[in-house]
Amino acid sequence: GAGVSQSPRYKVTKRGQDVALRCDPISGHVSLYWYRQALGQGPEFLTYFNYEAQQDKSGLPNDRFSAERPEGSISTLTIQRTEQRDSAMYRCASSTNTDALEQYFGPGTRLTVT
Amino acid sequence: GEDVEQSLFLSVREGDSSVINCTYTDSSSTYLYWYKQEPGAGLQLLTYIFSNMDMKQDQRLTVLLNKKDKHLSLRIADTQTGDSAIYFCAEQGAGNNRKLIWGLGTSLGVNP
Repeated sequence: GAGVSQSPRYKVTKRGQDVALRCDPISGHVSLYWYRQALGQGPEFLTYFNYEAQQDKSGLPNDRFSAERPEGSISTLTIQRTEQRDSAMYRCASSTNTDALEQYFGPGTRLTVT
Repeated sequence: GEDVEQSLFLSVREGDSSVINCTYTDSSSTYLYWYKQEPGAGLQLLTYIFSNMDMKQDQRLTVLLNKKDKHLSLRIADTQTGDSAIYFCAEQGAGNNRKLIWGLGTSLGVNP
C-alpha cells in the first residue's frame, strides 16, 4: 500500500516568506508526527497529532511554526517569516495507536531559506 | 533531561558482525528503537524492544538491552555492503508520552 508522502520534496524560499509543508500519512494511521533533521543530526521532535487533535507541540521552536491536521488525515506544517536557520529536512511520520511507536516516515521536505 | 548517545562512526569488513551501541538516560523508557537511514532516503524502522526484555532477535539483527546500565546495542550478523547506512537509536518515555528522543546516529561503513 501507499506509504507516507510529503510535498514538496524540495523547497527553496527567500528569507521572510511563509512556507507550507504537507504530509499525507498512511491511510488509517491515527497518529502523525513532525520532525526536523539538520545535517549530521538525529530527528528533532516538533509536534504530533492523534486524529485532528494536536497532543504535544512542545518541540515547535517558536511561534512562527504551527501545524494543523483539520480532518485527522493530511497535515500541514507552516513556517511564517522564514529565517535561514529554518533550513533543514522536515520529516513526517505516522503510526497506529498501539503502545509501541512503530512510526513510518515519509521521504521528507528539504527546505532551504536563502 | 533525556539524552541518547551513540558513537558516530563504525567501520567493518564485509561478512563480519557489526555492533552499534547506544546509551540513554531515561530510566522510565518503555520502548527502544533502531532506525536505519540510507543516503538520500527516509528513516526505516528496523526493530524495537520493550524495556522488560533483554534480548530480541530478528533474522540477522540482535538487539540487547541492559536496563541497569541503560545500554542498548544492535548486532548485525554477516554485514553486507547494503547495510552501509546511518543507524539511529531512539527511546520512548513512559505513560502518554508518545514522542521519541533520538541519538545523533552511527554511520556504518562496510568495506568489501
